[in-house]
Amino acid sequence: DQQVKQNSPSLSVQEGRISILNCDYTNSMFDYFLWYKKYPAEGPTFLISISSIKDKNEDGRFTVFLNKSAKHLSLHIVPSQPGDSAVYFCAASAVIYNQGGKLIFGQGTELSVKP
Amino acid sequence: GAVVSQHPSRVICKSGTSVKIECRSLDFQATTMFWYRQFPKKSLMLMATSNEGSKATYEQGVEKDKFLINHASLTLSTLTVTSAHPEDSSFYICSARGQGHTEAFFGQGTRLTVV
Repeated sequence: DQQVKQNSPSLSVQEGRISILNCDYTNSMFDYFLWYKKYPAEGPTFLISISSIKDKNEDGRFTVFLNKSAKHLSLHIVPSQPGDSAVYFCAASAVIYNQGGKLIFGQGTELSVKP
Repeated sequence: GAVVSQHPSRVICKSGTSVKIECRSLDFQATTMFWYRQFPKKSLMLMATSNEGSKATYEQGVEKDKFLINHASLTLSTLTVTSAHPEDSSFYICSARGQGHTEAFFGQGTRLTVV
């Protein structure tokens, strides 16, 4: 049972344009959501997060939007840069329920930003 | 962000031998550590969660006698793959989370190849 889903395995965007990566979840107990960026043969790097009490969090070029009623979140990168090319994972956490905050990851979306 | 160091980054071992992977939090105390496994072009699969000083909690389907996890201190957790077989070949990643923090920081990952 895939509790966190990223339905687009890949996304290609032109440099300077907006990249929008999507993520859906099924477990209503999730109360914290994170986005990670991963290069091949490296561990994921934390990008940005959002608590379920908010619907938007912004950090520089990165903005995460959360729609709790739709159980959907998205990561916007604007403007996109070639260095943003990587695999992006969304992750969800429920601090209250078992194991105190383990992260459940989506399948990842490979972003390619073309010059 | 906080630094998590994972060692070794690559290891090749013979079938039937055991391999130990170390995960250290360098600049914070990791009350919780997570071990993940990633198959090619797949998501990060949580294997187990460990809290310092207590036994690890394994996810369904993960053999605890095969994947031994020790979290003896607030800065070190180890994963030992016992009696490794070629199907254990994978990319293993640890992450660590400090008390009161929701973000987990990842190590660089370990590429295990069993021949």
